[in-house]
Amino acid sequence: AQSVAQPEDQVNVAEGNPLTVKCTYSVSGNPYLFWYVQYPNRGLQFLLKYITGDNLVKGSYGFEAEFNKSQTSFHLKKPSALVSDSALYFCAVRSTNSGGYNKLIFGAGTRLAVHP
Amino acid sequence: KAGVTQTPRYLIKTRGQQVTLSCSPISGHRSVSWYQQTPGQGLQFLFEYFSETQRNKGNFPGRFSGRQFSNSRSEMNVSTLELGDSALYLCASSWGSQSSYNEQFFGPGTRLTVL
Repeated sequence: AQSVAQPEDQVNVAEGNPLTVKCTYSVSGNPYLFWYVQYPNRGLQFLLKYITGDNLVKGSYGFEAEFNKSQTSFHLKKPSALVSDSALYFCAVRSTNSGGYNKLIFGAGTRLAVHP
Repeated sequence: KAGVTQTPRYLIKTRGQQVTLSCSPISGHRSVSWYQQTPGQGLQFLFEYFSETQRNKGNFPGRFSGRQFSNSRSEMNVSTLELGDSALYLCASSWGSQSSYNEQFFGPGTRLTVL
């Protein structure tokens, strides 16, 4: 079964420090991975995706993610956290069903709290 | 370009009633997907429509249905509401179907409360 795991319910970091939000995946075939962020009372916003190519993917708002095939991980990172980065972060993987159609499977989400 | 819009933003219904939620995708997007978000189950895929055809369906009972119109606008319907249907329902659109690599753009959601 194809799945995504976000092992941390919450990550706390001080403003200005680097942050990492972890994601591991399990898929058959090539993984197509995404990160989204959700602010209170709003829908999800796309941050970045990995389809193929460089293992380090750069995205919106200074975020980047590192794809590691051997560890089946796709951790989200940012060199210097801002208080405004506090939100709920979702990792997602594209899953293919028996009919050949795809859907996104989301992790449970990680709440990031950045303290001043 | 205007983003994905969903109406209504909030709904309160009672058990046994039915409800219809509406989603207008970004102009030019042909794919609309629906998700249910709850604190206990997280984000769960309901279904995807592409060019008026349902391409994929999640593991939800038949009480959950949807459709897409020729202008790509989509509606989802839930009949015989249960307390457990209380959730944030999110709509997402993309240029290609979920079979492509395109990211999805989400609307703000409709908060459904079933009493």
